[in-house]
Amino acid sequence: NAGVTQTPKFQVLKTGQSMTLQCAQDMNHEYMSWYRQDPGMGLRLIHYSVGAGITDQGEVPNGYNVSRSTTEDFPLRLLSAAPSQTSVYFCASSYAFRGSGYGYTFGSGTRLTVV
Amino acid sequence: AQSVSQHNHHVILSEAASLELGCNYSYGGTVNLFWYVQYPGQHLQLLLKYFSGDPLVKGIKGFEAEFIKSKFSFNLRKPSVQWSDTAEYFCAVIAMNRDDKIIFGKGTRLHILP
Repeated sequence: NAGVTQTPKFQVLKTGQSMTLQCAQDMNHEYMSWYRQDPGMGLRLIHYSVGAGITDQGEVPNGYNVSRSTTEDFPLRLLSAAPSQTSVYFCASSYAFRGSGYGYTFGSGTRLTVV
Repeated sequence: AQSVSQHNHHVILSEAASLELGCNYSYGGTVNLFWYVQYPGQHLQLLLKYFSGDPLVKGIKGFEAEFIKSKFSFNLRKPSVQWSDTAEYFCAVIAMNRDDKIIFGKGTRLHILP
């Protein structure tokens, strides 16, 4: 099925552990991004990419790394997990970075708990 | 910096009531505007979008939104809500010719009483 695929759906980490959240899209979208969703905070942009080999920081980038070696994949790495990173993470992609009214396609989310 | 304000954090309505959720943004130039819906336990889905033309936009499931440029608003409306409309609704804006990042409002949680 075409769309944005995120794995895993659920994850529990201990403080200090590292892990990678996977995101893949098969729509040949140039633009991909990672958001975290916390109660009462809406969606906050962590990192984004406008194409393979190009990434940039969003609103809350600290503690996270990204890379974009292919158009399809945009993994998010937690370097040393902290309880403050407990959240629901969404990956999103779009045909064009400059919006152009296409809107964004979201993945189903990863619920991460750091204990 | 651009911002998006959703005035109502939590709205409770009875079935068949009319709905209007407010959204205001702060950017004087050209914008693309969106409403997304997130049903319980699911990811965000595009409800409707505006990028040019008729300022009254019709989306899925009977929703519509009106872009009023002079008021910097893009309010979401539905004449008669259903229990299945219980969800969280997010307004989003892309300020064209700026950094083009999409900015989301903090969301409005809508609860429909059967």
